[in-house]
Amino acid sequence: SQKIEQNSEALNIQEGKTATLTCNYTNYSPAYLQWYRQDPGRGPVFLLLIRENEKEKRKERLKVTFDTTLKQSLFHITASQPADSATYLCAQEDTGRRALTFGSGTRLQVQP
Amino acid sequence: DAGVTQSPTHLIKTRGQQVTLRCSPKSGHDTVSWYQQALGQGPQFIFQYYEEEERQRGNFPDRFSGHQFPNYSSELNVNALLLGDSALYLCASSLVGRDYGYTFGSGTRLTVV
Repeated sequence: SQKIEQNSEALNIQEGKTATLTCNYTNYSPAYLQWYRQDPGRGPVFLLLIRENEKEKRKERLKVTFDTTLKQSLFHITASQPADSATYLCAQEDTGRRALTFGSGTRLQVQP
Repeated sequence: DAGVTQSPTHLIKTRGQQVTLRCSPKSGHDTVSWYQQALGQGPQFIFQYYEEEERQRGNFPDRFSGHQFPNYSSELNVNALLLGDSALYLCASSLVGRDYGYTFGSGTRLTVV
């Protein structure tokens, strides 16, 4: 079955730097990859969706790439701020769009 | 515009009991999905409801059942609770044919003692 892998180690960076988070998947290429932000005790918040035939998507300070050859998606936050500190979840979805398979998330800590 | 509303926010139950969790989807959404999230893990898909029918089910036992009402709201029922059912239960809503992700509620924290 499909598996989504994210770096379980926390990522610590300085304010103003670019944070880069990695999401790797096994087996087949998903139709959609999505990125969510989750704060402690809260539900995930949708950030970006990228389709299998798209290489890159941007939204304000956020950028996501999708490399079907490497079976990998990268999520970038430019000019990071302490308020960006949270856990970021990668999730894949098939063409039927009926279920998300999540990775375990990567905790980002932005130091002022 | 209200997002996804879940109730209750916290719940403590005893092993063997039954529990019902409730979810109201975001206005305009017609599909409701339920996820279970253990501490330190990503959410795991339980099932999705559309047009009052279960469209897809994840790898969860029959003790987990659900329902969707004509107003699109949904319930998750868990019978014969086990200690391992302790988790954050998340409801997510979406619109069929959408070009964006899901809207999640803040979840119900279920503790089984």
